[in-house]
Amino acid sequence: DVKVTQSSRYLVKRTGEKVFLECVQDMDHENMFWYRQDPGLGLRLIYFSYDVKMKEKGDIPEGYSVSREKKERFSLILESASTNQTSMYLCASSLRGSTQYFGPGTRLLVL
Amino acid sequence: AQSVTQLDSQVPVFEEAPVELRCNYSSSVSVYLFWYVQYPNQGLQLLLKYLSGSTLVKGINGFEAEFNKSQTSFHLRKPSVHISDTAEYFCAVSDYGGATNKLIFGTGTLLAVQP
Repeated sequence: DVKVTQSSRYLVKRTGEKVFLECVQDMDHENMFWYRQDPGLGLRLIYFSYDVKMKEKGDIPEGYSVSREKKERFSLILESASTNQTSMYLCASSLRGSTQYFGPGTRLLVL
Repeated sequence: AQSVTQLDSQVPVFEEAPVELRCNYSSSVSVYLFWYVQYPNQGLQLLLKYLSGSTLVKGINGFEAEFNKSQTSFHLRKPSVHISDTAEYFCAVSDYGGATNKLIFGTGTLLAVQP
């Protein structure tokens, strides 16, 4: 079974803090993705990576950056958290051109 | 550009009744289509997918969907729902043959099954 894990299920941070969300997959997938999920908006792609050290912007990259130093790990970074980044963050991974598998999500609250 | 429309934000239904969750998409290229389910406080789980071949696709938990190219639809159906089917359902589309297989999601439909 494919396993995608995220470092935290719930996180509370203060405005201005630097926040790291970690995602790890154990199936040697080339592609990894970060989405945010908001009520009424569905899932929106923030960034994705198709190889180590490679990344591309998704639909809503502003205020976020990513890092992929190893194939199995994809990190989402909020350089200076703001209240409008309070959301559910979902990580996914896939083989090239194949089905995406999702982690359990991290619910982030920025106060 | 691709887009996905799920017109119903919420569908209430009684247990053992049939249900249909609607999904329409727009795309200028051939697509792959997916339905994912999200149970409360969990990530997304793949229900079923259409890649090619038969337009009627069967998935897990007794769900099925039919790809209709002329109507650009991919509606999800189940003949008899259970309380445990209460969840949010997302339809998604991706480029046919795209190596990065980015998904475009609809806004989701909450299926609320009542006893």
